[in-house]
Amino acid sequence: DAKTTQPNSMESNEEEPVHLPCNHSTISGTDYIHWYRQLPSQGPEYVIHGLTSNVNNRMASLAIAEDRKSSTLILHRATLRDAAVYYCILRGGSNYKLTFGKGTLLTVNP
Amino acid sequence: NAGVTQTPKFQVLKTGQSMTLQCAQDMNHNSMYWYRQDPGMGLRLIYYSASEGTTDKGEVPNGYNVSRLNKREFSLRLESAAPSQTSVYFCASSEARGYRAFFGQGTRLTVV
Repeated sequence: DAKTTQPNSMESNEEEPVHLPCNHSTISGTDYIHWYRQLPSQGPEYVIHGLTSNVNNRMASLAIAEDRKSSTLILHRATLRDAAVYYCILRGGSNYKLTFGKGTLLTVNP
Repeated sequence: NAGVTQTPKFQVLKTGQSMTLQCAQDMNHNSMYWYRQDPGMGLRLIYYSASEGTTDKGEVPNGYNVSRLNKREFSLRLESAAPSQTSVYFCASSEARGYRAFFGQGTRLTVV
């Protein structure tokens, strides 16, 4: 399975943008890049996903490098409710697995 | 909008007891998943079912069995519970690999 590498933790201030990086140098052409987050004491929730082009939704933006070996999740204005563990996951090919790494713990300071 | 429903939400078992965790989704998804999450750790995949009638082992399948009863339901069985299986269990479903996954709220299991 293609693996992802994320920083263990990041810190941000409220109402500032946050850029969460993810490296996936062994990504294959059919792998989708998914981002999920897990708030304290809750199940994971979907944030965004993409294949090749940058994607935007109401929660965040996903910027994908041209060679697809890295991506960045962008929270445009962090709030205290965005404090969570963020997971970058690859899904694709004939592999239906959905496996999580350790993710990035985002702390948002008031 | 029920999404993914897990039952029970909480359970305490004695060592050696058996139980089945139930998961049902109402989104007509093909793929379903079972995870465990130990305190302070990430999610680890136990078993998954790519489609109705198929199941496959994940990262930590030992001590568990699963049944994909129909397209809606995917159950996880502990035949002889051990304290090491104390964890929070999450079920998820997804249409396909290119689509988002939906998670249940979890079952908090304690084995004493």
